[in-house]
Amino acid sequence: QVQLVESGGGVVQPGRSLRLSCTASGFTFSSYGIHWVRQAPGKGLEWVAFIWYDGSHKYYADSVKGRFTISRDNSKNTLYLQMNSLRGDDTAIYYCARDFYGDFSKFDYWGQGTQVTVSS
Amino acid sequence: QSALTQPPSASGSPGQSVTFSCTGTGTDVGGYNYVSWYQQHPGKAPKLMIYEVTKRPSGVPDRFSGSKSGNTASLTVSGLQAEDEADYFCSSYAGSYNVIFGGGTQLTVL
Repeated sequence: QVQLVESGGGVVQPGRSLRLSCTASGFTFSSYGIHWVRQAPGKGLEWVAFIWYDGSHKYYADSVKGRFTISRDNSKNTLYLQMNSLRGDDTAIYYCARDFYGDFSKFDYWGQGTQVTVSS
Repeated sequence: QSALTQPPSASGSPGQSVTFSCTGTGTDVGGYNYVSWYQQHPGKAPKLMIYEVTKRPSGVPDRFSGSKSGNTASLTVSGLQAEDEADYFCSSYAGSYNVIFGGGTQLTVL
């Protein structure tokens, strides 16, 4: 069965960096684009970034552009989110989600999320 | 871009129907047929319930249906069951490789 498992979250001071991972199984990882989506405490969902199936194209929300970098290693079935210059409003649960068609129309499987807390 | 507008709460009794709204603009909900709905139980990951306005993924009961009129999308849950109690989020493609979500509606099954 399709599984996405996020890891790498934790407590980090403002201005520092953190790298999240999302390990996939149960499907051909290299055939699908993947998103990062986050959810601040008690809030709605916010799209963060997307990477094509082959890593050739990447897109970011304005709120993270220039600070976050999405990447993938298809040989390891793993997606990454490098987060630099972290701020308090980056505190959230971070989910990875598979895009079935690769066109932003169908986020069909989501991981359980990893908590990121930015605090001094 | 602003989040899509959803009422914060809704409720219904078992067996009844309830409809959630999701209001955007002509550059998101009204401009594309890429509206999705997600169900999220407390502490759990979101689950896709509806995509492309009206389509149901396999395994989602046909009690869940979606529609759209102008800049407002709707999710209807018929024959309410206790396990339907959850938060429901809408999302829409907003062009230029961007997706926006609503703030969510908390459904209470009375």
